[in-house]
Amino acid sequence: DVQLVESGGGLVQPGGSLRLSCAASGFTFSSFAMNWVRQAPGKGLEWVSSIIGSDDDTHYADSVKGRFTISRDNSKNTLYLQMNSLRAEDTAIYYCAKDRWVVPATLDYWGQGTLVTVSS
Amino acid sequence: DIQMTQSPSSLSASVGDRVTIACQASQDISNFLNWYQQKPGKAPKLLIYDASNLETGVPSRFSGSGSGTDFTFTISSLQPEDIATYYCQQYDNLLTFGGGTKVEIK
Repeated sequence: DVQLVESGGGLVQPGGSLRLSCAASGFTFSSFAMNWVRQAPGKGLEWVSSIIGSDDDTHYADSVKGRFTISRDNSKNTLYLQMNSLRAEDTAIYYCAKDRWVVPATLDYWGQGTLVTVSS
Repeated sequence: DIQMTQSPSSLSASVGDRVTIACQASQDISNFLNWYQQKPGKAPKLLIYDASNLETGVPSRFSGSGSGTDFTFTISSLQPEDIATYYCQQYDNLLTFGGGTKVEIK
């Protein structure tokens, strides 16, 4: 069975940094794109970033470009999101989501999410 | 960037009712559209992919249609377990979600 387990969330001050991880199992990790999607409290879903299956091609929402970095370690079946210069508006549950394809398209499995709170 | 506009933002219907949600793209996205269900406190779940294809294991009362800029999601007979927020998502150019439609029981 496909499993995605996020970790690394927590409380951080504005301007601070945090690294999220997503441990994947149950599928050939390197064959699929992986994505981060966030949801602010009481709000809708917002795509954050994607990374292509087998190489380092990455994509970002304008709201996080230049501050967040997505990466993957295919040898460890793990997805990462390095978040720098955090702002209050980055407060959200961050979901890791597997794509059905090698490029970003259809999110067929989701983790349970990890909460990031940016506050002083 | 492609914008996705969902309507209504919320609706209330009776058990057994037919429920329809609209999703409009700001430009032609062919059939590059998915629908997700999110129950309170849970992660989203894929229901419909490529505008009209039912994901494996999803009840047949759920369906999707449309192409180009206008799409529709339908629950043919609303059940109590369908209480959730539903989102459309395009993937013609990266990913964009609609604002969501919260479905409640009347």
